[in-house]
Order: sequence, then structure tokens, then C-alpha cells
Amino acid sequence: GAGVSQSPRYKVAKRGQDVALRCDPISGHVSLFWYQQALGQGPEFLTYFQNEAQLDKSGLPSDRFFAERPEGSVSTLKIQRTQQEDSAVYLCASSLVASNYGYTFGSGTRLTVV
Amino acid sequence: EDKVVQSPLSLVVHEGDTVTLNCSYEVTNFRSLLWYKQEKKAPTFLFMLTSSGIEKKSGRLSSILDKKELFSILNITATQTGDSAVYLCAAAGNQFYFGTGTSLTVIP
Repeated sequence: GAGVSQSPRYKVAKRGQDVALRCDPISGHVSLFWYQQALGQGPEFLTYFQNEAQLDKSGLPSDRFFAERPEGSVSTLKIQRTQQEDSAVYLCASSLVASNYGYTFGSGTRLTVV
Repeated sequence: EDKVVQSPLSLVVHEGDTVTLNCSYEVTNFRSLLWYKQEKKAPTFLFMLTSSGIEKKSGRLSSILDKKELFSILNITATQTGDSAVYLCAAAGNQFYFGTGTSLTVIP
């Protein structure tokens, strides 16, 4: 597609429920990033993939968060046993090459945990 | 600790005014500084700066980086109501670090 596509756009989960958020990057983009953006804050880094390799997962807030990109294209961010503090917009971004190039964001998934 | 700090946090101006948004950074293995505009959706890319003192321009927007003093500014001249948004600054080091943004409101 022409841009980075994320689904679902909105997700309401009951506390304790598992959720899976999907990101379709721009075709051919090597690098893929996940960010968590709380209300009124800038995006906070979660994890980074270069192709299928997860090179940095230092931003994942707990072991309830898991991300994968098995074939180097689509990525899934999974949150197990959701908590209220997980409520945020989850942004995915991709870029053609790694590191210091500007990259394109998806529209995000707004997760609300009730 | 790596960090990016933006100021002011919010700004209200009238159409036609000129604004300057500030971004300071402390980032290990700094590579580049990026500016994004965020409305009610995902951030959209504005500029990437890698060299000190070289101004980048796009229409009424311009930006410059000072790698000695570790800051960047984003200027918007002749502001319009469509410029109302949150402007995010990000520094690329070992990873990307974002500031909390400057919320700009342009009043007709």
C-alpha cells in the first residue's frame, strides 16, 4: 500500500484480556518501529526491527509486551493480560533503510483498557 | 540519560504571527534531529537535520540544527490556522527519542 497501515484503529479491551495489534509497513521498508503514545505525551520507543530481526526491545515496558515480524514485513504487537496503564495509542513506523532516515508513521491503534 | 526537551509546551498565536519552537537534546551516538507535525492522527514528517548551521526550508517552515549547543529550532512564518498542531522533535541516537511536543494553536 501507499502508507503504513495499522489495525484495528480502535480497540477496547477488558482488563486481563490479551490483544494483538497489527502493522503493515510500506512495501520494501526494512526498518519497523513500535511506539506507545500516552495522552499528551510524545511517542515512547517500544521496539525496533530490521527485516525480521528484532534488534532492540529495550522499550517494552514489561514481559506482557511481545512483538514479532516473522517474515520481515507485517508486524504484530501483542499485549498479554492488559492493564489500565496500557491504554494509549500504539504507533507503528517504517523506513526504507535503518537508523537515521525520516520514517513514515501509521495512523495508530488507540487501545483503551477498561 | 538520553532525553529530548521541547519548549514551550504550548503556544497560542494569531494568524500571521511568526513562531519559533525549541528542541534541545542529549542523545548518545547522535545521528540526526527530526521534526514532525501531529494533528489528530499519526505524526507527519517535516525535516531531518544532520549538519549544523544548514537551514532547511519548506514553504513557511524552516529549521536549523546546532550540534555544538545541542539544539534545534523550527520556525513558522505567517502562521495560518492550519498550522495548529503538536510539533514533535525527535533525536536519532541508538534509538529515536521524542520530546513531549509543543502544542501550537493559531487563532484567526
